[in-house]
Amino acid sequence: AQSVTQPDIHITVSEGASLELRCNYSYGATPYLFWYVQSPGQGLQLLLKYFSGDTLVQGIKGFEAEFKRSQSSFNLRKPSVHWSDAAEYFCAVAAPMEYGNKLVFGAGTILRVKS
Amino acid sequence: KAGVTQTPRYLIKTRGQQVTLSCSPISGHRSVSWYQQTPGQGLQFLFEYFSETQRNKGNFPGRFSGRQFSNSRSEMNVSTLELGDSALYLCASSLDRGDNEQFFGPGTRLTVL
Repeated sequence: AQSVTQPDIHITVSEGASLELRCNYSYGATPYLFWYVQSPGQGLQLLLKYFSGDTLVQGIKGFEAEFKRSQSSFNLRKPSVHWSDAAEYFCAVAAPMEYGNKLVFGAGTILRVKS
Repeated sequence: KAGVTQTPRYLIKTRGQQVTLSCSPISGHRSVSWYQQTPGQGLQFLFEYFSETQRNKGNFPGRFSGRQFSNSRSEMNVSTLELGDSALYLCASSLDRGDNEQFFGPGTRLTVL
C-alpha cells in the first residue's frame, strides 16, 4: 500500500528566507507525486506535480520540487518565502492507473511565516 | 472556466440524521473523487466516480455512499450520522481516470451535533 510521510508538522520561517518541506513516500514503483496547498477554510490548490521525466519540477507561486528515487523523496522548495505563503502544505501520491484517481496524502505541514 | 463547486458550504446535522452533499465538476471533467478531512485522520479518500460508476472506494463504512449523474455531477450521502462524521468533505474532479491532476472544490463543512 502506498503511504506518505511529512515529518514536520509545523515549520516557521522568516519572510524572505528559503523553505524546504520534506516528503517521503512508500510505493513499489515510481508513483505520481503532488504538492497541494490549503489556506484556512479553503480547498486544496495544486502547486506542482511529477509524473515522469525531469526530476526537478517547477510549480506555481515560485515553488519547485525535486524527485529523488533513491531516497523516495519529493521535497518542496522555495528560495524566498512571502507572508502569503503561510498555509498548510500536503504531499500526495497516486499509483499510475492502478488505483485510478485515488490520492494518498501525507499529514500535512503547517507553514508559519514571521516578519 | 468555472472551478469545482460544492453545495452546501456549511451544514449542521444531529446524530442519526442523513445528509447529501453535492459536487459539480469542472466542465468537461468526467471523474469525481471525494475526500474526508478531519484533524485526527487527515485527508482520506472516500470514493471515485467515473462514467456514473464507482471505480474505487476507500476504507469507510457502508453508511457512506455516492453516485454520479450523466452530466458528471456527483452526490455523496452519509446515513445515520455519527459525531465522528464531522469533517470537511472535499470533492475533486479530473478530466479522465488516467489524468491524475485533480482540482479540488472549497469543500462542505459538516458538523454533527
